Amino acid sequence: ILNVEQSPQSLHVQEGDSTNFTCSFPSSNFYALHWYRWETAKSPEALFVMTLNGDEKKKGRISATLNTKEGYSYLYIKGSQPEDSATYLCAFPRSNDMRFGAGTRLTVKP
Amino acid sequence: NAGVTQTPKFQVLKTGQSMTLQCAQDMNHEYMSWYRQDPGMGLRLIHYSVGAGITDQGEVPNGYNVSRSTTEDFPLRLLSAAPSQTSVYFCASSLNSGGNTEAFFGQGTRLTVV
Repeated sequence: ILNVEQSPQSLHVQEGDSTNFTCSFPSSNFYALHWYRWETAKSPEALFVMTLNGDEKKKGRISATLNTKEGYSYLYIKGSQPEDSATYLCAFPRSNDMRFGAGTRLTVKP
Repeated sequence: NAGVTQTPKFQVLKTGQSMTLQCAQDMNHEYMSWYRQDPGMGLRLIHYSVGAGITDQGEVPNGYNVSRSTTEDFPLRLLSAAPSQTSVYFCASSLNSGGNTEAFFGQGTRLTVV
């Protein structure tokens, strides 16, 4: 059974705050870990695909780290802006099967 | 570049009716998949394909059929719609199978079965 857990379920922050959330996944037979950003009424869009233990990836104010040995990944947003409001999904592929977490819904208040 | 095109955007069906959700990609991607999104749950994989002529079941395949006659197209068929199939459906494609390339998603189909 592939269980991908994300926490917290939702998060409300003020504009300018930095924030982070967690994705937990099975640590055995690791292939990759994906992060997606999903804005309301749109489709999920890829942020990062991470494949190596210790990987750190960055895109603007968003960054992610990966620990495959203990089975977790963190997503960080520095200086949150209202346009960062979205649901952030992580996904764990195993062979041809992709399992998504339920997501963390981030709301950034101006 | 159109990416992944999914139709229709909205659909209402009566219990027992059949329909096909269309999905096409123009990126020459090998891997295509269908997911459903239900409140409080992550995207769940229904069926996937690793190339033309090859399909397989995902986590929640019951009540759905797929085919992949070309690289570009991957339609999802509901043979006899049930209220439990009320959901938002997403088609996605990736360059290859194995999970180490990002997925590109269609616009989604909101299906209601009454």
